[in-house]
Amino acid sequence: ELKVEQNPLFLSMQEGKNYTIYCNYSTTSDRLYWYRQDPGKSLESLFVLLSNGAVKQEGRLMASLDTKARLSTLHITAAVHDLSATYFCAVDMTSGSRLTFGEGTQLTVNP
Amino acid sequence: NAGVMQNPRHLVRRRGQEARLRCSPMKGHSHVYWYRQLPEEGLKFMVYLQKENIIDESGMPKERFSAEFPKEGPSILRIQQVVRGDSAAYFCASSPNRNGDEQYFGPGTRLTVT
Repeated sequence: ELKVEQNPLFLSMQEGKNYTIYCNYSTTSDRLYWYRQDPGKSLESLFVLLSNGAVKQEGRLMASLDTKARLSTLHITAAVHDLSATYFCAVDMTSGSRLTFGEGTQLTVNP
Repeated sequence: NAGVMQNPRHLVRRRGQEARLRCSPMKGHSHVYWYRQLPEEGLKFMVYLQKENIIDESGMPKERFSAEFPKEGPSILRIQQVVRGDSAAYFCASSPNRNGDEQYFGPGTRLTVT
């Protein structure tokens, strides 16, 4: 059974600081996704990572994938309050099938 | 192109009643996925459907839960005789085909069982 683990689960940081969220998964995967969820809202797709060594950046967020280590990271640069949300990674083990989600990382950026 | 639509957005049911949740996929998408999110948890896969077919229901509870995606109309997730533990957010996602296309999520239905 595929397991997806994120850490930390809770992250409180100050504006302007950098931090990394980690996502480990237990078996070989075809692709990995990062989503953002605001309270009471749906999931917003941030990144889709398709191959080993993939790196994608959007604004203050950068995601990378190491399929050999079964690890993805979401790096936050110079955090701002608007980034406060819960971030989920999700793994697709069989193309076009179910997604297995991590527990989520609740990020709070304090002014 | 409208996104994935779900209704109702909020649903309150008493214990023992039935809940029907609807999902209209994005235009051109024939694959639908249902996920459940319990409070303070991640999303858990429930069922994967194509038009008129259930492809994978391994995440569905064995009793009281059923899903369909008819030839015409939205996909329906049906929960019979709801219990308090069914209170959760239910998200639907759709994709155009099975070949690894990204899933697009709807706004969710928040079910509260009183």
